[in-house]
This record gives sequence, structure tokens and C-alpha cells, in this order.
Amino acid sequence: GAVVSQHPSRVICKSGTSVKIECRSLDFQATTMFWYRQFPKKSLMLMATSNEGSKATYEQGVEKDKFLINHASLTLSTLTVTSAHPEDSSFYICSATLAGGIAQMRSGGFDTQYFGPGTRLTVL
Amino acid sequence: KQEVTQIPAALSVPEGENLVLNCSFTDSAIYNLQWFRQDPGKGLTSLLLIQSSQREQTSGRLNASLDKSSGRSTLYIAASQPGDSATYLCAVRSGSGYALNFGKGTSLLVTP
Repeated sequence: GAVVSQHPSRVICKSGTSVKIECRSLDFQATTMFWYRQFPKKSLMLMATSNEGSKATYEQGVEKDKFLINHASLTLSTLTVTSAHPEDSSFYICSATLAGGIAQMRSGGFDTQYFGPGTRLTVL
Repeated sequence: KQEVTQIPAALSVPEGENLVLNCSFTDSAIYNLQWFRQDPGKGLTSLLLIQSSQREQTSGRLNASLDKSSGRSTLYIAASQPGDSATYLCAVRSGSGYALNFGKGTSLLVTP
């Protein structure tokens, strides 16, 4: 159980175009999803937290107008990289927690984040 | 700001050896610590999660310990196998929030 999928697994696009990445929880409802970015041989960096039905919370230094996040349902969050540039090339990984949301996470109800397989974005 | 460091960055051992991976963190006020495995070009697989009140967790050949006061955790892998070859990531959830702070990982190669 607790499977998270991402689509596409790999995408190559031209500079200036927009790319949408989907993150789905396949067998559970995820009130909260997280988007991470990973550079080669670097740590995963949290970009934003996505809550179903509300605006995403972005980490400091992450441009919200460039990385658009939508969490329209309990099983789907999307990350759109707008006007992509070569420096946006990276490995993007999403994760999801079991339904319960931030409130339960803070109380210790759900600790484990289930990660998707990642999306490799290459901007030419 | 919480910083997570993993040592060594890379490790190569022959099959059958027992090994220890190290993780240290700067702020001891953590909520929990998690060890993940990442295969090349893939996502993360959670291996073990240790709550701040716990000292260790075990799963099969894996044992993770936590010393919160000194800001350290170790992942012990017994009788290593070539299939254990992967990057191992340590991540800390601080008490002030829900985000995970990751180390850069230890790249493990187990040779037959």
C-alpha cells in the first residue's frame, strides 16, 4: 500500500516552454503532498507543501510564479514549471502523507512521507 | 537552520561485510529521523523511521540508532549484499515543522 506515482518519468523540453508534472497517490488519500528538487549529488530540497483545496506553501527562495502547484483533489497534485530555462533542469520528486493533514502530522499522527519515483526534467 | 551531514559520501565494500553509515544533525530538537534508500534515477524508499523518543529501530539486516543529544544517527547494515548497492539518505524532521531536511547521502557499492 501507500504507492505514489509521478508522470512523466522523464521530459525534455525547449527553453521558454512550460512543463506539467503530476503526482498521484494511487491507493490512499493524501491531504498533503510535498514537492522536492534534487540536483546531482546534492540533497533533496523541499520546494513547497501542497494542501488539497488551498494554496501551496512555498519554501524561502522558491519562486511561486515559476513553480505553480495545484492540489485539486485528495489524490492529485501538479507542479508546472513555467517558462522553463536550462537551470531548471533537475530531478523533481513528490511525496504524500496519508489523509489527516498537517494537524495530525503535528500531533504525531502520520509521520511517514511516501515518495514518488521522480521526474527527470531536461531543458534545452 | 537544521543541517544534516552524512559520512562517508561514498563507500565500497566486499559482499558479506557489516557496515555503518553515519548521519549528524546540528539541531537536536527533532521530531523524528528517517533513513531512505535511493536507486539511481529513482525515487526514495523509506527504510526505517525513529521517533525522537526512541533509541533504535530494526528491520531485517538493518538497524538504525539515534542519539538525539549528540545529534547523531547510524545505519548498520549486516552481511551486506550486492543488492544493497544504492544511495542511502538520512532525513530529519524538526520539531518546529513538517519539512524533511535531507543529507547528501552515502553512495554504497557492495561488490560480489
